[in-house]
Amino acid sequence: AQSVTQLGSHVSVSEGALVLLRCNYSSSVPPYLFWYVQYPNQGLQLLLKYTTGATLVKGINGFEAEFKKSETSFHLTKPSAHMSDAAEYFCAVSNTDKLIFGTGTRLQVFP
Amino acid sequence: AAGVIQSPRHLIKEKRETATLKCYPIPRHDTVYWYQQGPGQDPQFLISFYEKMQSDKGSIPDRFSAQQFSDYHSELNMSSLELGDSALYFCASSQYWTGQTYAKNIQYFGAGTRLSVL
Repeated sequence: AQSVTQLGSHVSVSEGALVLLRCNYSSSVPPYLFWYVQYPNQGLQLLLKYTTGATLVKGINGFEAEFKKSETSFHLTKPSAHMSDAAEYFCAVSNTDKLIFGTGTRLQVFP
Repeated sequence: AAGVIQSPRHLIKEKRETATLKCYPIPRHDTVYWYQQGPGQDPQFLISFYEKMQSDKGSIPDRFSAQQFSDYHSELNMSSLELGDSALYFCASSQYWTGQTYAKNIQYFGAGTRLSVL
């Protein structure tokens, strides 16, 4: 069975500070990994994905994530937070049809 | 670029009523997924369809049914609504084969239908 664990349901950073959102996964086969962002009252927007190949994946809005098989991790980072980054972030894993989501991390950005 | 279209955006129903949610996938996408997101929860997979056939099933109540039509749009039918069915319902679509790569796992989501059961 696959699962995703997101450490920290809330993360607060100052504008301009590093953003680090943690995600660990469990999968018996090589997984596909995703980060989605959800702004208030909106749908899920795909930030970035790892399928195969390069383990450092760049996404939209300056975010990137690194697939580390030895650590079963896929942490999301951004060098400098912006106020507009405040949202809910979901890590997800898939190797079949459906996506299995983590419980989400709410990112707050303070001026 | 065209996105996944869901209708209606908001729906208010009473207990024991029925509701139908519609989803129009991105053009050329052949797979549709339905997810339910309760308040403060992560999205939970309900059901998926590939080429009009059910491809996977999750935690979908027996009161719910869904299908994918010949034009690839999908409808989620919900009967005997309960208060606990109040949630945000997302539809996502993907394309099994892009012509260059398999992409069925790369899902694009609609804005969701917010269902409130009173």
